[in-house]
Amino acid sequence: RKEVEQDPGPFNVPEGATVAFNCTYSNSASQSFFWYRQDCRKEPKLLMSVYSSGNEDGRFTAQLNRASQYISLLIRDSKLSDSATYLCVVATGGFKTIFGAGTRLFVKA
Amino acid sequence: DTGVSQDPRHKITKRGQNVTFRCDPISEHNRLYWYRQTLGQGPEFLTYFQNEAQLEKSRLLSDRFSAERPKGSFSTLEIQRTEQGDSAMYLCASSSDRGGGLAAYEQYFGPGTRLTVT
Repeated sequence: RKEVEQDPGPFNVPEGATVAFNCTYSNSASQSFFWYRQDCRKEPKLLMSVYSSGNEDGRFTAQLNRASQYISLLIRDSKLSDSATYLCVVATGGFKTIFGAGTRLFVKA
Repeated sequence: DTGVSQDPRHKITKRGQNVTFRCDPISEHNRLYWYRQTLGQGPEFLTYFQNEAQLEKSRLLSDRFSAERPKGSFSTLEIQRTEQGDSAMYLCASSSDRGGGLAAYEQYFGPGTRLTVT
């Protein structure tokens, strides 16, 4: 079993749609969680950190469920510019970080 | 530009040759990471440094791979006796303890070095 697993995707959605990404992690001792975005042929960039109580940044909402070892990212009112691969990231002991394989999102006009 | 830089951006080498990549982190970032990424996969952790100390290495990092960060600033990743399976994008990232909490884990990536082994 992979340490971090994400929906395989791709997701194809129309502009304005709400889309949810799911991620599970296997190490119950994991402490910190993040979502990164990676555009085609570009480096990953931090989208948002995931706080225990959940957090929102504009159209983006992240949730953490430690009991189920599950993280989610919700994007509301999708824009064409949201098209990218979304990577779930989990920090295990120390500062070692494990990336999921990513879920590709295509937003169409 | 004060972002993470990597050199070279592209490297084509023949199987069996040695290659070395360089990463310059954001100034004053004390942690530096190396990852490998292949098509359709997320970045795969290789190793990380806190200042000049290499604190963790992936089991996937065979003895052909070695990384250094001699003065706690730039880092090099060397691959000896390259194999075709080493073809990938090699990404470097850095982070800082400033800010504490989750901010200490937030990584800033360089553009990567694309390695092709023929």
